[in-house]
Amino acid sequence: DQQVKQNSPSLSVQEGRISILNCDYTNSMFDYFLWYKKYPAEGPTFLISISSIKDKNEDGRFTVFLNKSAKHLSLHIVPSQPGDSAVYFCAASRLRGGTSYGKLTFGQGTILTVHP
Amino acid sequence: DAGVIQSPRHEVTEMGQEVTLRCKPISGHDYLFWYRQTMMRGLELLIYFNNNVPIDDSGMPEDRFSAKMPNASFSTLKIQPSEPRDSAVYFCASSLGHGGQPQHFGDGTRLSIL
Repeated sequence: DQQVKQNSPSLSVQEGRISILNCDYTNSMFDYFLWYKKYPAEGPTFLISISSIKDKNEDGRFTVFLNKSAKHLSLHIVPSQPGDSAVYFCAASRLRGGTSYGKLTFGQGTILTVHP
Repeated sequence: DAGVIQSPRHEVTEMGQEVTLRCKPISGHDYLFWYRQTMMRGLELLIYFNNNVPIDDSGMPEDRFSAKMPNASFSTLKIQPSEPRDSAVYFCASSLGHGGQPQHFGDGTRLSIL
């Protein structure tokens, strides 16, 4: 049972345009969401996060949107740059209650390619 | 600032051998996580520790896998005996526990069991 899903294995975008990466989750108990970026032969690097009490969080060129009713979040990168080419992972966790505190559940990842 | 340090970066060994992966978390972090990444299953959590105590090992695939954290600055993941299906990239991550702090990952150990 995959609780966090990234249905697009890959995305190709032109430099300067917007990249939109999508993520869906099924567990309504998740209340904290993160995006990680991963380059080949490196570990995932934290990019941006959002708590379930918000619907938007912005950090420079990166914005994460959360739609709790649809159990959907998205990462927007504007403008996209060739250096953004990487695998992007969506992750979710429960911060309140239960024994799974701090445990991240990851999506399968989306390969983003930004063409010059 | 030193990040999470994993060793070795690559390990190639024969089936049946014991494999030990090592991790040094970021100083001051009180949570440590071990993940495995494969093409089929993606990034999956194996086990995590809080203040050196194992909290959830439900992701450990079977008894051949064991993990220890003898002190706040060192953890090991051991596979004995190893099998070809254990071939994967193993990541260690650490975080400053509560309040939704992000996990910081090491660069992983690429394990190949022949």
